[in-house]
Amino acid sequence: QLQLQESGPGLVKPSETLSLTCTVSGGSISSSSYDWGWIRQPPGKGLEWIGRIYYSGSTYYKPSLKSRVTIFVDTSKNQFSLKLTSVTAADTAVYYCARLQGGYDGWFDPWGQGTQVTVSS
Amino acid sequence: QSVLTQPPSVSGAPGQRVTISCTGSSSNIGAGYDVHWYQQLPGTAPKLLIYGNNNRPSGVPDRFSGSKSGTSASLAITGLQAEDEADYYCQSYDSSLSGVLFGGGTKLTVL
Repeated sequence: QLQLQESGPGLVKPSETLSLTCTVSGGSISSSSYDWGWIRQPPGKGLEWIGRIYYSGSTYYKPSLKSRVTIFVDTSKNQFSLKLTSVTAADTAVYYCARLQGGYDGWFDPWGQGTQVTVSS
Repeated sequence: QSVLTQPPSVSGAPGQRVTISCTGSSSNIGAGYDVHWYQQLPGTAPKLLIYGNNNRPSGVPDRFSGSKSGTSASLAITGLQAEDEADYYCQSYDSSLSGVLFGGGTKLTVL
């Protein structure tokens, strides 16, 4: 059974870089059938798509975040990672990683349990 | 406009049927892109409920069903149970955004 687990610092200072990693177990991140994505949820708010990556390294980002976001994959570790630069309090959220299947208009399943990231000095 | 609109809240008594709408536009649902639904119980990660407009993953009760028409989609829940109390989100692809779009979410209260 495929499982995803987010990891990374829970507290980031304003203007610094948020870095998270998603470790995939029970399956290969190199499967040609799937993309891998990051989604976040600010406190008390809805879900926001951040971006996605194909195992080959092709990436697609939400336009409003594109200038600050990088997603990359490490197939040797079966992991993919998120970097978000110049963070502000507005980036405080629970960050989820998930597998995207069914193509670019596909669905996310499964999801990681999520990791809380707080931006504060 | 790249927005999927859901009602903020819906409610129903145990055993009743409720529907949650997801209204989009010609750049997402109306363009023919698939709609997917997620259930998020308090304090947990979202869980896939419906994929490809009207398909249920293994393990999801047939009380849950999805439909799509024109620029809108709907999630129907029949035989409402207390355990269905959760937030529900629709998701699709938007060609203007060139990316994934989530609805704002709907809180279901079981009275």
